Amino acid sequence: GAVVSQHPSWVICKSGTSVKIECRSLDFQATTMFWYRQFPKQSLMLMATSNEGSKATYEQGVEKDKFLINHASLTLSTLTVTSAHPEDSSFYICSVSKTGKGINQPQHFGDGTRLSIL
Amino acid sequence: KNQVEQSPQSLIILEGKNCTLQCNYTVSPFSNLRWYKQDTGRGPVSLTIMTFSENTKSNGRYTATLDADTKQSSLHITASQLSDSASYICVVTRRNTDKLIFGTGTRLQVFP
Repeated sequence: GAVVSQHPSWVICKSGTSVKIECRSLDFQATTMFWYRQFPKQSLMLMATSNEGSKATYEQGVEKDKFLINHASLTLSTLTVTSAHPEDSSFYICSVSKTGKGINQPQHFGDGTRLSIL
Repeated sequence: KNQVEQSPQSLIILEGKNCTLQCNYTVSPFSNLRWYKQDTGRGPVSLTIMTFSENTKSNGRYTATLDADTKQSSLHITASQLSDSASYICVVTRRNTDKLIFGTGTRLQVFP
């Protein structure tokens, strides 16, 4: 069964709207979750590492005020795209891994959220 | 620079045929290499994980090889099926980090 649940799977909204995406770890508690963005025909690009109970770590070039991450519990991380614009349209994917249980664990990915800003 | 390159970029084969996808990496220090399958509009799904000491690993019709000396890996798909149509992504992890370094993927299309 699914290890990671991501919701919603598809969002279409007007420019200027803020959109919240949820990522839930169903199988185990995850102190760390990852948020990726994927443009058409390109590979996944890590946006930020979400740490439970502390601030997220953002990759270079990713605006932390634009992409707000909250990891309030061991099973839930949220990504909020604030004041979204058409250039934010993309496929957003989260992942979790069993950190602390051996480094050679697969990262389990959610099914992604397709965000379309009109 | 830590990079992962895959070839070919895209591949079309007939159902029932075999194919091999290639992955070259320059990531150092190396921890492990993973192959993922990503269906269109879905998240990636893990196929295999290999560490430095492993040369080959199979998962059903998928067989991955790793040559840590030449920093090359391959994914061999046997007796392809229509459902194998997807992007296959090679991902390398640096030692002592959780971050994954993604290849650009190979888009495989299997036709009847």
